[in-house]
Amino acid sequence: GESVGLHLPTLSVQEGDNSIINCAYSNSASDYFIWYKQESGKGPQFIIDIRSNMDKRQGQRVTVLLNKTVKHLSLQIAATQPGDSAVYFCAENDSGGSNYKLTFGKGTLLTVNP
Amino acid sequence: GAGVSQSPSNKVTEKGKDVELRCDPISGHTALYWYRQSLGQGLEFLIYFQGNSAPDKSGLPSDRFSAERTGGSVSTLTIQRTQQEDSAVYLCASSDRGLKETQYFGPGTRLLVL
Repeated sequence: GESVGLHLPTLSVQEGDNSIINCAYSNSASDYFIWYKQESGKGPQFIIDIRSNMDKRQGQRVTVLLNKTVKHLSLQIAATQPGDSAVYFCAENDSGGSNYKLTFGKGTLLTVNP
Repeated sequence: GAGVSQSPSNKVTEKGKDVELRCDPISGHTALYWYRQSLGQGLEFLIYFQGNSAPDKSGLPSDRFSAERTGGSVSTLTIQRTQQEDSAVYLCASSDRGLKETQYFGPGTRLLVL
């Protein structure tokens, strides 16, 4: 999950396993959430988003779960592949505030072992 | 189509020098964002442009930082009298109309201030 420290949380999985990356957010007014993937030397890449009127959304091999009660967001990756190795960021937005500002977590480093 | 491009990809400068970083957003995108990413950290919002509206500069860390967006397209982030703590990756993103549209990121400019 996310950390306030300088060292990224890390998750190491075997190829073919499912991965779960967690994110705790602090603003109870946040109503829009995004997961980004950032490979080494590249900019963040959009993976999937979810709005607060939903608790689950599925994409291709990815599922995002939102638990507003405990302010928790997770990203599930099915059948993890070496190409999934990257840093994953969650981001949140409070549309009642400045509706264009995303607040990013510090990221989780996912390493997929062949 | 072409994504967000940034130049230079890497910049090494001496403390006290000025630097200019360039962002070419996706054609037709009216919203443009600048972020800073320090080593092992999440993304820090710097500035936001939306169409012809006045930019939101609330994230700029000091008056040494400024940004322009000419003709509603290309943007330049300028850092004057650079300091070592300015060393980071500077990321640009664009979106169509605003936050509720996905932000697409460029590859970033890696700035090192010696």
